[in-house]
Amino acid sequence: QLVLTQSPSASASLGASVKLTCTLSRGYSSYAIAWHQQQPEKGPRYLMKLNSDGSHSKGDGIPDRFSGSSSGAERYLTISSLQSDDEADYYCQTWGTGIQVFGGGTKLTVL
Amino acid sequence: QLQLQESGPGLVKPSETLSLTCTVSGGSISSNSYYWGWIRQPPGKGLEWIGSIYFSGSTYYNPSLKSRVTISVDTSQNQFSLKLSSVTAADTAVYYCARHGGSGGSWTSSQIDYWGQGTLVTVSS
Repeated sequence: QLVLTQSPSASASLGASVKLTCTLSRGYSSYAIAWHQQQPEKGPRYLMKLNSDGSHSKGDGIPDRFSGSSSGAERYLTISSLQSDDEADYYCQTWGTGIQVFGGGTKLTVL
Repeated sequence: QLQLQESGPGLVKPSETLSLTCTVSGGSISSNSYYWGWIRQPPGKGLEWIGSIYFSGSTYYNPSLKSRVTISVDTSQNQFSLKLSSVTAADTAVYYCARHGGSGGSWTSSQIDYWGQGTLVTVSS
């Protein structure tokens, strides 16, 4: 079964970097995912598509501070030079034929 | 710039049918490169995919909701719609419409790349 697993929470200091993880279930390590950001009281915003080889393509206007990487079944979102408005929920998303799957989300706190 | 806008009643009574429409602007819903979908988010919880539709009318639904969901498309109005029947309080959520990849009807590259702003639907008598 296609499942995405995310840690519920993460924190990092203003100006620092943070790496969020999304793990694909066994047997699905070749799948691409997408990362989305949801700031408080707002709808989600597409950040990037991330392939199994680590290549990624970002959405319109997404700053260079956001980058993605992959290792096996793990997909990462790295945010550098953290700003206060990076404090948000981050969701990963993947798909199979006829199905969309979301991870449970990671709440990022910027200290 | 593509924009999606949800519309519909914000309050629905238990056992009735929830109906929402998504109006697409800045792009054509008849493109053969995309699917159009509905996703919901109960208060304080995560995202749940409801279903998606292709411009031709082909639909795919979340198995957990399939018996109650109907998604349709109106290419003349550049809109697509959601109907969810027999609602209960558990269906209270912010409902989002979105676009995801679907070149030629395939799901090869189906990342969601545009979202609507969402609309809160409360189920209550």
